[in-house]
Amino acid sequence: AQTVTQSQPEMSVQEAETVTLSCTYDTSESNYYLFWYKQPPSRQMILVIRQEAYKQQNATENRFSVNFQKAAKSFSLKISDSQLGDTAMYFCAFMKQGGSEKLVFGKGTKLTVNP
Amino acid sequence: DAGVIQSPRHEVTEMGQEVTLRCKPISGHDYLFWYRQTMMRGLELLIYFNNNVPIDDSGMPEDRFSAKMPNASFSTLKIQPSEPRDSAVYFCASSLGFLAGNTIYFGEGSWLTVV
Repeated sequence: AQTVTQSQPEMSVQEAETVTLSCTYDTSESNYYLFWYKQPPSRQMILVIRQEAYKQQNATENRFSVNFQKAAKSFSLKISDSQLGDTAMYFCAFMKQGGSEKLVFGKGTKLTVNP
Repeated sequence: DAGVIQSPRHEVTEMGQEVTLRCKPISGHDYLFWYRQTMMRGLELLIYFNNNVPIDDSGMPEDRFSAKMPNASFSTLKIQPSEPRDSAVYFCASSLGFLAGNTIYFGEGSWLTVV
């Protein structure tokens, strides 16, 4: 079974600074997808960024980028120019490709952006 | 396009009562998921459907929980009888599956409190 570990329960960053959230996963699969979801205080789950395991290039979405290290099974999220609206829980998630649509989530990292 | 729509957004009910949560997936999506989020267990997949057919219900906690998807645009999650330990946020989500890189889109959640 796949597992996702987020080792930082809480983090904080100053507005306009850069912060990196860590995620590691354990799987024997070769083909899979990785995701970062954001959950603000409203509790809605919002997709931030996704990465296909077969792609070597790291995904980027505006201020959000990932550092995907397949051999190390690491998938960190970097938030540049942090904004107050980035304050939220961030969940790393794994889905194997083909045969199952199950998303396996980490426990989350609570990020606070301070003014 | 409208996102995943859930109702009710909030519900408070007494122990022993029946609870029905409703979900309208994104039009055209052929996968539908029900997740539950609690502080203790994080995000758990309860059940998912593909083309209205339940594929995996191994996450349904017990017989008090049931889910149906009578057509492509509607699903229900029913708890009968409800218990205080069922208090959680229940998310419905949908996706196009492999055709869209397995990206799963979540609704805003239904906050359930059982007293």
